[in-house]
Amino acid sequence: AQSVSQHNHHVILSEAASLELGCNYSYGGTVNLFWYVQYPGQHLQLLLKYFSGDPLVKGIKGFEAEFIKSKFSFNLRKPSVQWSDTAEYFCAVSLYGGATNKLIFGTGTLLAVQP
Amino acid sequence: EPEVTQTPSHQVTQMGQEVILRCVPISNHLYFYWYRQILGQKVEFLVSFYNNEISEKSEIFDDQFSVERPDGSNFTLKIRSTKLEDSAMYFCASSERPSNEQFFGPGTRLTVL
Repeated sequence: AQSVSQHNHHVILSEAASLELGCNYSYGGTVNLFWYVQYPGQHLQLLLKYFSGDPLVKGIKGFEAEFIKSKFSFNLRKPSVQWSDTAEYFCAVSLYGGATNKLIFGTGTLLAVQP
Repeated sequence: EPEVTQTPSHQVTQMGQEVILRCVPISNHLYFYWYRQILGQKVEFLVSFYNNEISEKSEIFDDQFSVERPDGSNFTLKIRSTKLEDSAMYFCASSERPSNEQFFGPGTRLTVL
């Protein structure tokens, strides 16, 4: 069965520090990849997505992610975090060309940015 | 910007009672989904719905669960006889096409006592 692993469950950073959150998936076929963010008290919002093409994807609020097919990874990065980036981050995968595009989520990473 | 809405935001019920969670997907979207997140666990897929029928359902989505699109705007999840372990946050999502981004609602927190 497909699965998604997020290695960091809780990350604490100071403002201006760089961020990298790991995400690995297990599936041999072609996948669509997503990072969603959930700010405190808000709903899940899409940060960025990868379907095909350039494996380096840029999203909103200065986030980017790199798809490395050989490593089954889709790590999220931001060069300089802000206090407002405090949120929970979810990596998700869906099967490319699937009939329903159900999302398979990782366990989430809670990021706390200290001012 | 259009968004997915869900009601109620919090539902408290007694074990064995029926609950109906409501969602209004984005108006031009055709694919609808329910997910749930038990406290401290990952978001899990429950069911997808297209063209007035279930496209796919997970193992969690047993006979106690049902979904319906009773009119042109609402999409509901019914749990017939709630159990303690049904306590979770339930998220509705919709997308224009299966390959597109899914937009999520704010969730309904269901507490079963």
